[in-house]
Amino acid sequence: QSVLTQPPSASGTPGQRVTISCSGSSSNIGSNTVNWYQQLPGTAPKLLIYSNNQRPSGVPDRFSGSKSGTSASLAISGLQSEDEADYYCAAWDDSLNVEVFGGGTKLTVL
Amino acid sequence: QVQLQESGPGLVKPSQTLSLTCTVSGGSISSGGYYWSWIRQHPGKGLEWIGYIYYSGSTYYNPSLKSRVTISVDTSKNQFSLKLSSVTAADTAVYYCARASNWGSYRPGEFDYWGQGTLVTVSS
Repeated sequence: QSVLTQPPSASGTPGQRVTISCSGSSSNIGSNTVNWYQQLPGTAPKLLIYSNNQRPSGVPDRFSGSKSGTSASLAISGLQSEDEADYYCAAWDDSLNVEVFGGGTKLTVL
Repeated sequence: QVQLQESGPGLVKPSQTLSLTCTVSGGSISSGGYYWSWIRQHPGKGLEWIGYIYYSGSTYYNPSLKSRVTISVDTSKNQFSLKLSSVTAADTAVYYCARASNWGSYRPGEFDYWGQGTLVTVSS
């Protein structure tokens, strides 16, 4: 049972916009920034979004992040087949004193 | 471009100590500004943060693993290491080393560079 709750799966067709939610609490998302990671099959996670809504250099602007209260969201517009991956949200938890991750969402491009 | 590479035994016997090293290239651990971290992923599961070390030697560990974890740094070799003692099958996982931003707090920031990961299996 992960501290941050994500839907286990999401799907969309090429060109569509999909969103992935991440629900937490006042001790993690409510008081700290959220980061998102993309993990392609068989590879290490890659930083996708940091500080709630910032994109590292090289990440397409099709990816965007937002945060409101104790929840965060990752949006992917213009879905492409290469976006098929697992997506994880993460944040520091002030009560547990640990970096916590969501359980991951497997995105399927139909 | 910063690169991280994990190395160490892929098989460890139960009750023994798991030891891994992460070699950093393209950047110096001694330059400061980052937390050098270990994260693991159980087979088919999500990510678990183990802890980090700063170039000065300061460490911060996941409380659930703290009694068994030691992270150390060798700035002369630009490496940092993980030791996890008294391992069981539950410690079987892919272990990643990663660099986390330091935003001026003990809380690590985003993990912006990751090693490729190394699978460690605990079995007799």
